[in-house]
Amino acid sequence: QKEVEQNSGPLSVPEGAIASLNCTYSDRVSQSFFWYRQYSGKSPELIMSIYSNGDKEDGRFTAQLNKASQYVSLLIRDSQPSDSATYLCAVIRNTGNQFYFGTGTSLTVIP
Amino acid sequence: GAGVSQSPSNKVTEKGKDVELRCDPISGHTALYWYRQRLGQGLEFLIYFQGNSAPDKSGLPSDRFSAERTGESVSTLTIQRTQQEDSAVYLCASSLNYLLTDTQYFGPGTRLTVL
Repeated sequence: QKEVEQNSGPLSVPEGAIASLNCTYSDRVSQSFFWYRQYSGKSPELIMSIYSNGDKEDGRFTAQLNKASQYVSLLIRDSQPSDSATYLCAVIRNTGNQFYFGTGTSLTVIP
Repeated sequence: GAGVSQSPSNKVTEKGKDVELRCDPISGHTALYWYRQRLGQGLEFLIYFQGNSAPDKSGLPSDRFSAERTGESVSTLTIQRTQQEDSAVYLCASSLNYLLTDTQYFGPGTRLTVL
């Protein structure tokens, strides 16, 4: 079982819609969760981080964490074509010193 | 200010040759990370440095891989006797401190192709 799993997509949504990206993780002791955005041919950049159960909002982005169900999601409201990218979920265990990344979900926002 | 830089941006080598990849982190960042990203795959964590020390090397794929950091600055990732499966983009990132919550800033990566 992979540490972090994401649906590879591609996920297509029309401009202005809500894009929902999901991620599950296997290790219950995981404590820190991140969403990175990676444009084609570019390096990842941090979008959101979340550490406690519930929702965290930042502009059009909302990260949701449910530790009991071991999933973390990213909602993008009012999706724009510029949001088209691959979104990587990353998890850090409370113990150990490694980051675990999912394979990413490709999002396309259709104008 | 300057971000994380990596060199070379592209490297093509023959199977069996050694390669050295360089990372210059953001000035003042004490933590440095190396990742590998194969085509169409997610990031694979390789190793991190806290200062010049690498507390955990278990993420390195094999003993052909080694990394060092000097002066709490530049880091090099060395791959000996390269194999075709080593072909990937190697990404370096740095963060201000080694706290799990610190933001990592990624460099542009080195695309390694082993023929």
